[in-house]
Amino acid sequence: DTEVTQTPKHLVMGMTNKKSLKCEQHMGHRAMYWYKQKAKKPPELMFVYSYEKLSINESVPSRFSPECPNSSLLNLHLHALQPEDSALYLCASSQEYRGGDIQYFGAGTRLSVL
Amino acid sequence: GESVGLHLPTLSVQEGDNSIINCAYSNSASDYFIWYKQESGKGPQFIIDIRSNMDKRQGQRVTVLLNKTVKHLSLQIAATQPGDSAVYFCAENANDYKLSFGAGTTVTVRA
Repeated sequence: DTEVTQTPKHLVMGMTNKKSLKCEQHMGHRAMYWYKQKAKKPPELMFVYSYEKLSINESVPSRFSPECPNSSLLNLHLHALQPEDSALYLCASSQEYRGGDIQYFGAGTRLSVL
Repeated sequence: GESVGLHLPTLSVQEGDNSIINCAYSNSASDYFIWYKQESGKGPQFIIDIRSNMDKRQGQRVTVLLNKTVKHLSLQIAATQPGDSAVYFCAENANDYKLSFGAGTTVTVRA
């Protein structure tokens, strides 16, 4: 089983709202990732968690706040987003954060900011 | 900066024919390469990977070729089917462990 589950599948929010994206995997992977993908573009790395600790923040604005409650779960808290933040947000996981480990992606949450 | 890129943004192929999707990379320190398929409305799906100590790897109907001399990666799909219509991304791991994605090639299969 190589499944990464993301909820919700779609989200519409206003610029003053607070919402959260959720990601879950039960493969025993110790690395989890958030990516942002705009239409017709490749995924862009946002955050990397390794063993439940934030390893990489790719200079993401503070209106995006990641959280890793345990080794199976990854959240992305959203607050005061801008319309340009509308995109597909992808979660991925891999055995560990190291070269050569396959990253498995979820189906994504399609976010629209009004 | 150094990055992974694809030669062609789109590829149209007749059903039943073989497809070849190309990718050029410039980071000579990259030692791991991976191909993903992304269908409309879905996340990227792992297809096949290859390490820099290999020059060819085969999967089910797919073959990845790596030419380190010219820094070129390709994905060959045999007997292309309608279900192969998707965007294909190559990606590389350099020594920082991050996956660097190419721009993607949209493959359309004609019936």
